[in-house]
Amino acid sequence: DAKTTQPPSMDCAEGRAANLPCNHSTISGNEYVYWYRQIHSQGPQYIIHGLKNNETNEMASLIITEDRKSSTLILPHATLRDTAVYYCIVRVTGNQFYFGTGTSLTVIP
Amino acid sequence: GAVVSQHPSWVICKSGTSVKIECRSLDFQATTMFWYRQFPKQSLMLMATSNEGSKATYEQGVEKDKFLINHASLTLSTLTVTSAHPEDSSFYICSARDERGWETQYFGPGTRLLVL
Repeated sequence: DAKTTQPPSMDCAEGRAANLPCNHSTISGNEYVYWYRQIHSQGPQYIIHGLKNNETNEMASLIITEDRKSSTLILPHATLRDTAVYYCIVRVTGNQFYFGTGTSLTVIP
Repeated sequence: GAVVSQHPSWVICKSGTSVKIECRSLDFQATTMFWYRQFPKQSLMLMATSNEGSKATYEQGVEKDKFLINHASLTLSTLTVTSAHPEDSSFYICSARDERGWETQYFGPGTRLLVL
């Protein structure tokens, strides 16, 4: 069962930062936070993951609160191609992914 | 990054026939692969965990005799939908676990199945 809560939809203006929140209040100490996105009719694409430290890569930044009960995915300069459903998943390394309902992000020109 | 392919990308078949979907990890070996199903406007639902050289582990409610999984090599898993019916029409997605580093899962592009 999914252990995360995300808003069902969000809009973001093109060129602005998109901040996608995720609540995982029951996360265990050995569970990582993963973010994937799914563009319509494609397989999910890996974005980023983290345990307790903030992480950044070429796609996005992941901010995890100190108590690890929530996190935020930041797309620093959203483009139209970032329109997708974004999934936040928590799991122990090596275990299965259980997807929640995700956040449908629409980037507006 | 790691690449996972699926074949075919879409398939249309008659009710009662069987359909085989292939999932390949192209640039890494994967002892574990996963199969998901996604209905329109819904999230991905995990169907089964495919283990190289051993039997697959199915999620509750998934019929193992209907969805046959074979993981005969470290780069290939197959899902066979046996005696397909219209209600099996869906988007089937596989993923492969990259066991180098953080064991991140990488997903295939999906296979759209339409059963007439």
